[in-house]
This record gives sequence, C-alpha cells and structure tokens, in this order.
Amino acid sequence: DAMVIQNPRYQVTQFGKPVTLSCSQTLNHNVMYWYQQKSSQAPKLLFHYYDKDFNNEADTPDNFQSRRPNTSFCFLDIRSPGLGDAAMYLCATSRDPQGHEQYFGPGTRLTVT
Amino acid sequence: GESVGLHLPTLSVQEGDNSIINCAYSNSASDYFIWYKQESGKGPQFIIDIRSNMDKRQGQRVTVLLNKTVKHLSLQIAATQPGDSAVYFCAERGMEYGNKLVFGAGTILRVKS
Repeated sequence: DAMVIQNPRYQVTQFGKPVTLSCSQTLNHNVMYWYQQKSSQAPKLLFHYYDKDFNNEADTPDNFQSRRPNTSFCFLDIRSPGLGDAAMYLCATSRDPQGHEQYFGPGTRLTVT
Repeated sequence: GESVGLHLPTLSVQEGDNSIINCAYSNSASDYFIWYKQESGKGPQFIIDIRSNMDKRQGQRVTVLLNKTVKHLSLQIAATQPGDSAVYFCAERGMEYGNKLVFGAGTILRVKS
C-alpha cells in the first residue's frame, strides 16, 4: 500500500547530541511536512517542502532543520536537542501546497536524556 | 489558531450510542475543513473533509456538519464502537493561514463497553 513511513518509530538521544529523523513516501506527493506534537496537544507545523522549495514557519527554532534530497525522502535534523524537544514528530504529505488532505506517517517518538 | 491546552475535553459514550464531537474554528474565511482521528502512539488518520460551500457531508458511519454563521464544525459518529476511542482533531485551511492546515485542540473520545 502507498504510505508515509517514518524511521525510527522511537528515538532516544542525549541532550545536545544531533539527531536525524527520516520520512519516506510512496504517494509521489509534491509536499512533505514536519510537525511536532507534544502530549495532549495538536500537531504544530515546523516546516514543509513544496517540491524543493523549503518553507519554514516563523516560530520554528533554528535548532530544527530539514532536507529533502528527492521526492520520496525528507529528513528532520535537530542540531542540539534540548529536553523541551522531546515530542512526537509527525511527517505528512499532500498532493498540493493548498493543504488539502494530508496523509500522516506513524510518527517518531523522540526522548531526550 | 495553535492549541495550547494541556487538558483536552473528553467525551464518554456508551458503545452503540451516537457521538457528536464539536469544534469551534477561528477564521471565518477558512474554506476547507478536515477531521482527523489519532489513536495513542499513532499519526493522525483522515476521517472526512468538507468544503465551505457545503454544510453537510456523510461518510461511512460519520457525518460532518459545518455552520459558517457561528464558525462551528461537528463530527457525528453513528453506533460508536470501542475502536472509535481516540483523540479527534478538526483542522481548517484558509488563505490567512497561508493555505496551510491549522489544527484545533482535540477532543478525547472514550467508548464504554
């Protein structure tokens, strides 16, 4: 089945140690999104790629970066994770940037020790 | 707008009863709305969507109602089942949000057997 895949599902990193989360999709969608979701809160958009165009949200910390080497893959890099960055990180895709139906991956649960 | 609450409203229903989950959205110019279901430890799953030129849309066991006058969206689930237990998020899209989806705070649905 076509889908959005995130690896790993669970990631533990140390305070300040860079970490990369990955997302891949078989939907051939043009747009890929990264969201941060903390406990009992709604997903919060960090940034998105429309094809190769990177679109950062105004309040996304510089500590968060992203790469999209090709249509299928997108990475979230956290350069120096802090305790406050512990969260679920969700990748999503959509066919177009108008934000119509977004397909979400299962998420990566990040723990910072 | 962005969700900041740490205590999500909870709706408890008996198995077999109908459920109604409500959402007040922010922007009167929003033109597209989605309901997502998120089970514990998983990514949001699309349930149903509706455009602003409609006031009702039905799916399998679910109905979404849109009242633009009072900026209110509801999700009705018929014959609620234990597998419906999850957090439900509404999301809106509009030009004022840069055509991105903005998620509401979420509602916990608990189904009692």
